[in-house]
Amino acid sequence: EVQLVESGGGLVKPGGSLRLSCAASGFPFTDAWMSWVRQAPGKGLEWVGRILSKGGGGTTDYAAPVRGRFTISRDDSKNTLYLQMDSLKTEDTAVYYCAWVQKTVGGFDIWGQGTMVTVSS
Amino acid sequence: EIVLTQSPATLSLSPGERATLSCRASQSVGSYLVWYQLKPGQAPRLLIYDASTRAAGIPARFSGSGSGTDFTLTISSLEPEDFAVYYCQQRSNWPPLFTFGPGTKVDIK
Repeated sequence: EVQLVESGGGLVKPGGSLRLSCAASGFPFTDAWMSWVRQAPGKGLEWVGRILSKGGGGTTDYAAPVRGRFTISRDDSKNTLYLQMDSLKTEDTAVYYCAWVQKTVGGFDIWGQGTMVTVSS
Repeated sequence: EIVLTQSPATLSLSPGERATLSCRASQSVGSYLVWYQLKPGQAPRLLIYDASTRAAGIPARFSGSGSGTDFTLTISSLEPEDFAVYYCQQRSNWPPLFTFGPGTKVDIK
């Protein structure tokens, strides 16, 4: 079964850091482009960033609101995707989803169940 | 940067009615337009890609059309489980970057 399972969410103070993990199974993670997408309370979906497969260069790109504060990485030996979030702001409060970027679809075919991040003092 | 707008923001309909949702891009995205369904407490569900291709397992009552800057998602006859928020999304060619529209909520009239 194709599955993505996020973990690491929680409550953090403004200016703090948090690292989210996403464990993948059931598909060739090594070849996969992966993304993080978030949904703030009462708001719509927002793309956070993406990492290519190592064979594709392993490069990352980020949405403007998180660029310079968030870092996406991957450990293909553990089939795990990460999102390091630094200098967190209250507006980063959201459910964070990891998602498999299906190149043929041009979008996100498989999603995790999401993990909640709350930034509050 | 391509901006997606969706209309209407909310669509109030009854089961059995036809729903027509619009997504407009600020510049041409060709046919690279994707639609998702999102329900509270659930992960988004891929419905349509390449503007008009249904994803695996998606019922035939969902259809997509359009190209360039104007796209439509049609639900031919609303089932109770179809009341949700629908998002369009586009992907730039290279590097692959992604943008979502603000969403259209389909609620029960």
